[in-house]
Amino acid sequence: EIVLTQSPGTLSLSPGERGTLSCRASQSVTSNYLAWYQQKPGQAPRLLIYGASSRATGIPDRFSGSGSGTDFTVTISRLEPEDFGVYYCQQYGSSPHTFGQGTKLEIK
Amino acid sequence: EVQLVQSGAEVKKPGESLRISCKGSGYSFSTHWITWVRQMPGKGLECIGRIDPADSSTYYNPSFQGHVTFSADKSISTAYLQWSSLKASDTAMYYCARQPYYRHMDVWGEGTTVTVSS
Repeated sequence: EIVLTQSPGTLSLSPGERGTLSCRASQSVTSNYLAWYQQKPGQAPRLLIYGASSRATGIPDRFSGSGSGTDFTVTISRLEPEDFGVYYCQQYGSSPHTFGQGTKLEIK
Repeated sequence: EVQLVQSGAEVKKPGESLRISCKGSGYSFSTHWITWVRQMPGKGLECIGRIDPADSSTYYNPSFQGHVTFSADKSISTAYLQWSSLKASDTAMYYCARQPYYRHMDVWGEGTTVTVSS
């Protein structure tokens, strides 16, 4: 099973700042099949990024994903108030598909 | 519009059985996996496993194998997650998600809250 470790656990930033969230895999992710999801309290997760760097439909271009192999990053260029929540990475290249433990992005 | 609509919240006692549902609309139900995800209170996301509605083939995360059962009725575009004997530790939110074969989960249901308490 591939273990995903996200860092930091919590990130406190102000609107307008740049946010960088990381995800490290215990072994190489097949075909860079790595997705990022955002979850807000009381809501289902929402797909942001798939294939490590492709934005999902309707996701603003301030979100960008990068990385390959075992190290992946999602960057939010200028934080908007609605961007705060918990972010999860997930690999879907090897079964069982696994999630990271999440990074909480909160308002400073 | 592609949608997954899940059944409503459930409150059960330990040892009881339960089946929750996930109904797809707006797409061809038999051409995508349905994946089930657990989120325990205040915790992260865990993949339970998936079912292919086309032929009801399944994959269970070894951590959940033997405790839950997936099924699907493609004639009514509905997938199910079932327990034969609930435990208090099954208390969680359960999400279904559409997953194109070997791809990412792109559409999620709203979740079903399951509470198991004596």
